[in-house]
Amino acid sequence: KNEVEQSPQNLTAQEGEFITINCSYSVGISALHWLQQHPGGGIVSLFMLSSGKKKHGRLIATINIQEKHSSLHITASHPRDSAVYICAAENTGNQFYFGTGTSLTVIP
Amino acid sequence: DAGVTQSPTHLIKTRGQQVTLRCSPKSGHDTVSWYQQALGQGPQFIFQYYEEEERQRGNFPDRFSGHQYPNYSSELNVNALLLGDSALYLCASSLPDNYGYTFGSGTRLTVV
Repeated sequence: KNEVEQSPQNLTAQEGEFITINCSYSVGISALHWLQQHPGGGIVSLFMLSSGKKKHGRLIATINIQEKHSSLHITASHPRDSAVYICAAENTGNQFYFGTGTSLTVIP
Repeated sequence: DAGVTQSPTHLIKTRGQQVTLRCSPKSGHDTVSWYQQALGQGPQFIFQYYEEEERQRGNFPDRFSGHQYPNYSSELNVNALLLGDSALYLCASSLPDNYGYTFGSGTRLTVV
């Protein structure tokens, strides 16, 4: 069993829809990261969370430490949001465990 | 402000050969981590370098080795390449304790 599980694996949405990607982890963490990977491989760090909720533009990330669960929400989705979204758990030894990613396609 | 730079972007090697991948960290970052990402999978941690020493290592064989230079740039070396080593190799730099984690665009290695 992977230390980090994401769902769904693939997601197709119409432009404007509200999107949620879920992440569950089994390791003790110092932080939970949400990353965005575009075709070709480049990865961008979206959020680093240790508690509560963070918002950046149309992106919102939440974490429930007790339930070991995090969600990434995208409001008013746009085709440029199409990418792979990866959840990564950073343990207390500063080592990362990555989910396999959620491939999002937003259709105009 | 340059981000993390990796070279080369693509590479094709034959089985049994050796390869060296290079990473220049983001300005001000002194910690470099390397990851292997197979097709359709999340990145897997290879190792992390700090102060020119390997600080942590994932579950990778000794064929995978690295180096960090005084200017914080880093190399990943893989010896005796196997077909299964074909993957995207990602470098990430950060400040100590992984603050400001920034990924490069990766080197896509194909072993034939």
